[in-house]
Amino acid sequence: EAQVTQNPRYLITVTGKKLTVTCSQNMNHEYMSWYRQDPGLGLRQIYYSMNVEVTDKGDVPEGYKVSRKEKRNFPLILESPSPNQTSLYFCASSLGGSAYYEQYFGPGTRLTVT
Amino acid sequence: AQKITQTQPGMFVQEKEAVTLDCTYDTSDPSYGLFWYKQPSSGEMIFLIYQGSYDQQNATEGRYSLNFQKARKSANLVISASQLGDSAMYFCAMRGANTGNQFYFGTGTSLTVIP
Repeated sequence: EAQVTQNPRYLITVTGKKLTVTCSQNMNHEYMSWYRQDPGLGLRQIYYSMNVEVTDKGDVPEGYKVSRKEKRNFPLILESPSPNQTSLYFCASSLGGSAYYEQYFGPGTRLTVT
Repeated sequence: AQKITQTQPGMFVQEKEAVTLDCTYDTSDPSYGLFWYKQPSSGEMIFLIYQGSYDQQNATEGRYSLNFQKARKSANLVISASQLGDSAMYFCAMRGANTGNQFYFGTGTSLTVIP
């Protein structure tokens, strides 16, 4: 089954404790991306990757890191989480960076930072 | 800069009736794609429909259709014969040909279908 998986689905952590949210897709997609969703703000793009070893900032990259060492994986790293990073996070992938390709989303990771 | 605007935070519709969810956009890209996603209370994002900026006809997928008015920069989603399962958040999104690396979302519209 074609899918995007994320782990963990739920995470409660404390300020400053480094964490990684994993994302993997099995569709051989070139493009992958991370979003955060906050009430009233919709989805905002954090980082995206056009291919292996190619990453770039979205609209809200501060406090996050990413890496793309393999085509299928695109982990999101919070090196020193803060309470304002409490949010619902989505990983997504698409065939490429064209305007004509829809994105497929993972199930989401609900992160709480206390 | 790219921008998507959804001005209806919440909408109600009677079961079996049609409903239109509004979306306007702003872009300097000559070519772009417009997308609608549904997010039920369970949280997942479900792709509904796509419209390319050069498509001559409005996109249709089952009960979903996209009312695309390029000159007005609007891409409204029409849901016909609403069902209780249509109750969800709906997001409009855009991707430009020159800025296709980035995907822009609106703030969403919460639709409630009333029995």
